[in-house]
Amino acid sequence: DVKVTQSSRYLVKRTGEKVFLECVQDMDHENMFWYRQDPGLGLRLIYFSYDVKMKEKGDIPEGYSVSREKKERFSLILESASTNQTSMYLCASSFNREGYGYTFGSGTRLTVV
Amino acid sequence: SQQGEEDPQALSIQEGENATMNCSYKTSINNLQWYRQNSGRGLVHLILIRSNEREKHSGRLRVTLDTSKKSSSLLITASRAADTASYFCATAPYNNNDMRFGAGTRLTVKP
Repeated sequence: DVKVTQSSRYLVKRTGEKVFLECVQDMDHENMFWYRQDPGLGLRLIYFSYDVKMKEKGDIPEGYSVSREKKERFSLILESASTNQTSMYLCASSFNREGYGYTFGSGTRLTVV
Repeated sequence: SQQGEEDPQALSIQEGENATMNCSYKTSINNLQWYRQNSGRGLVHLILIRSNEREKHSGRLRVTLDTSKKSSSLLITASRAADTASYFCATAPYNNNDMRFGAGTRLTVKP
């Protein structure tokens, strides 16, 4: 069974902390994505990567960075967590060609206090 | 920026009825996809329709696409309580690496 695994289901962090959200996929997908989901706003794309060591900004990259050192792993980094980054974070992966859907992880609900 | 917008935002029906959700988008697409999300979980891919297709079926799901109107609809026939979830449309460019999602339709199916 193919999977996208997010390291934490729930996370509570303090304001100003550096936060790492990890995502691993086992499908040999080229593309990996980080979205955040907030009520009424749907999913918003933070960053994506279409290859190892490559990254592209999505719609809301401010306050975030990413790292992709290996094909199967894509990390989202909150450099200095703030309360407005409290959200559900969803990782996804896909093949880098037309016609394929995305496979999502179960999400990490992050609360910044 | 959000590409797809679903309508209605919320829908409540009785078990056995059909549920129709609509999606509008703004720019040219390569394909359009529908996803389902159970409360507090990740999204699950349901169905993909290409820009040169007008209709597609998968079990109790029927998707239509009208590229001239930049709109799509998802029909769930003979709904079940287990269909209760949020449904999202997403539009994909050619290389599949920049997909945008709408805000979703929250479907409640009452037993």
